[in-house]
Amino acid sequence: AQSVTQPDIHITVSEGASLELRCNYSYGATPYLFWYVQSPGQGLQLLLKYFSGDTLVQGIKGFEAEFKRSQSSFNLRKPSVHWSDAAEYFCAVGARPAAGNKLTFGGGTRVLVKP
Amino acid sequence: DVKVTQSSRYLVKRTGEKVFLECVQDMDHENMFWYRQDPGLGLRLIYFSYDVKMKEKGDIPEGYSVSREKKERFSLILESASTNQTSMYLCASISDRVSGYTFGSGTRLTVV
Repeated sequence: AQSVTQPDIHITVSEGASLELRCNYSYGATPYLFWYVQSPGQGLQLLLKYFSGDTLVQGIKGFEAEFKRSQSSFNLRKPSVHWSDAAEYFCAVGARPAAGNKLTFGGGTRVLVKP
Repeated sequence: DVKVTQSSRYLVKRTGEKVFLECVQDMDHENMFWYRQDPGLGLRLIYFSYDVKMKEKGDIPEGYSVSREKKERFSLILESASTNQTSMYLCASISDRVSGYTFGSGTRLTVV
């Protein structure tokens, strides 16, 4: 069974600074990988996804993530954070193939942005 | 855009009540999911359905059941609500794994 670990529960970053959120997964083959963002009081929105090909994936809102097979990681980055990026971020992994397309989520990282 | 609608944003129920959480999607998706979200635990899968009248248990199905009589609607049922079921409940649907999930806005359930 697959699993996802997000080691950082909270991260505080200054507006304009860079941001990196860590995600490590456990799965026996190449997985499908996702990052979602949840703003306060909202559902989850897909930021980006990786299935195959180029290991550097671009997403919405200026985010990118890099798949590193050797480290079983899929870290999310943004070069310059805006106050609106304050939210909770979830990494998720899907198996290939997955009955019903189930995803397994990490525990989430809450990002606070200081002015 | 695909829309997933959860009928209630906030619910307060008493211990022992039967609770229905409704979810409707408007894009003819075959797969639908119910997750609960708790601080520090992320999202945990309760049940999912890959077709009408078809359902499978997720990771934490105890105390829950589901119903999918029509393709667009997936209901989560708490047969006898308990305080440990106080949580945020998220519904999602997907057409294929390439697209990723579309989530509803969530229902925050408090059981007193």
